[in-house]
Amino acid sequence: AQSVTQLDSHVSVSEGTPVLLRCNYSSSYSPSLFWYVQHPNKGLQLLLKYTSAATLVKGINGFEAEFKKSETSFHLTKPSAHMSDAAEYFCVVSDYGGSGGGADGLTFGKGTHLIIQP
Amino acid sequence: DSGVTQTPKHLITATGQRVTLRCSPRSGDLSVYWYQQSLDQGLQFLIQYYNGEERAKGNILERFSAQQFPDLHSELNLSSLELGDSALYFCASSPQAGGPETQYFGPGTRLLVL
Repeated sequence: AQSVTQLDSHVSVSEGTPVLLRCNYSSSYSPSLFWYVQHPNKGLQLLLKYTSAATLVKGINGFEAEFKKSETSFHLTKPSAHMSDAAEYFCVVSDYGGSGGGADGLTFGKGTHLIIQP
Repeated sequence: DSGVTQTPKHLITATGQRVTLRCSPRSGDLSVYWYQQSLDQGLQFLIQYYNGEERAKGNILERFSAQQFPDLHSELNLSSLELGDSALYFCASSPQAGGPETQYFGPGTRLLVL
């Protein structure tokens, strides 16, 4: 079975400072990992994904994430926060090599609400 | 714009009623997924269809059912509605059967059960 833990329900940073959103995963197989963003009253947009290629993954809007198998982590970072980054961020795992029944459905973390202070 | 469309955007209904949510996947995508987002449960995978056939089931209640039609659009049917079914329902699509593929999400249907 797969699971995702987002370690912070809320993160608040000042505009122009770095962003770190933490995510740990559990997976029985070789996982695919994603970060999705949800702006207020909007659908989900893919920021980036890891699928067993390079461990440092670059996404849209200056975000990147590093896959660390030894730590079972996939933390999301951005060097300099912008006001438009304020949103809900979801770390997601897809355990497609798993035992079936939901194997192709994504498992979402609870989300981290990112607040950007002016 | 992801290319996935969902109708209606909002739906208000009463307990015990039945509703149908509709999803049109991106052009060429064969898989459709349904998710439920609620305050207490977060985002949960409900069910997946691939090229007209049910492929995977998640936490879908027996009162809920779905299908995918030959033109690949999908419908999620929710019956005997309860207050706790109030949620945002997302549809997503991907080119093939999932796994490492990116899933593209629609804007969602917000269901309010009174």
